[in-house]
Amino acid sequence: GIQVEQSPPDLILQEGANSTLRCNFSDSVNNLQWFHQNPWGQLINLFYIPSGTKQNGRLSATTVATERYSLLYISSSQTTDSGVYFCAAYYGGATNKLIFGTGTLLAVQP
Amino acid sequence: ETGVTQTPRHLVMGMTNKKSLKCEQHLGHNAMYWYKQSAKKPLELMFVYNFKEQTENNSVPSRFSPECPNSSHLFLHLHTLQPEDSALYLCASTPGANSNQPQHFGDGTRLSIL
Repeated sequence: GIQVEQSPPDLILQEGANSTLRCNFSDSVNNLQWFHQNPWGQLINLFYIPSGTKQNGRLSATTVATERYSLLYISSSQTTDSGVYFCAAYYGGATNKLIFGTGTLLAVQP
Repeated sequence: ETGVTQTPRHLVMGMTNKKSLKCEQHLGHNAMYWYKQSAKKPLELMFVYNFKEQTENNSVPSRFSPECPNSSHLFLHLHTLQPEDSALYLCASTPGANSNQPQHFGDGTRLSIL
């Protein structure tokens, strides 16, 4: 089946720093979604991005489907950005299945 | 507010208890999903329902029994669980299981098995 790998697994930043999180997927996918899971377990949808670039405030994402990767950029990080960032790949025919990556644990220190 | 509500938020139960998790979506979607997230691991798909019919069972043990009485409600009935079943259980929905639309997640039920 499809493998979804993320890097780095852990990241510590000082408040105000920028970062790039990477998601690699092993096969062609129908779509890709980035999530932020906060310390309370809530899964927040960040981007739904099959290709190209999208921006939302301090966050942006780029997916290069032909090269099977996606990047999440966080600029001017804040302590509230802490948590786990997951990318998830959509694949399949009759049922559009979602396979989650291994996650990046981000800690932003004041 | 994602439009997907899960209850209870927290549940502690013994291995011999029977309990149920509930998920309700107010988005008019027709596909609903159960995921399990064990500690420090990614989400794993358990079940998929499309228009009330189960279309996916990802080799889930029979002590987990899903029920989808209508497109807005999804239950997960729990019976004779094991300590390794302690996890965060998340529900999601989409317009249809084969629709090219993002999944919307509830806030999850954190389950602890004593």
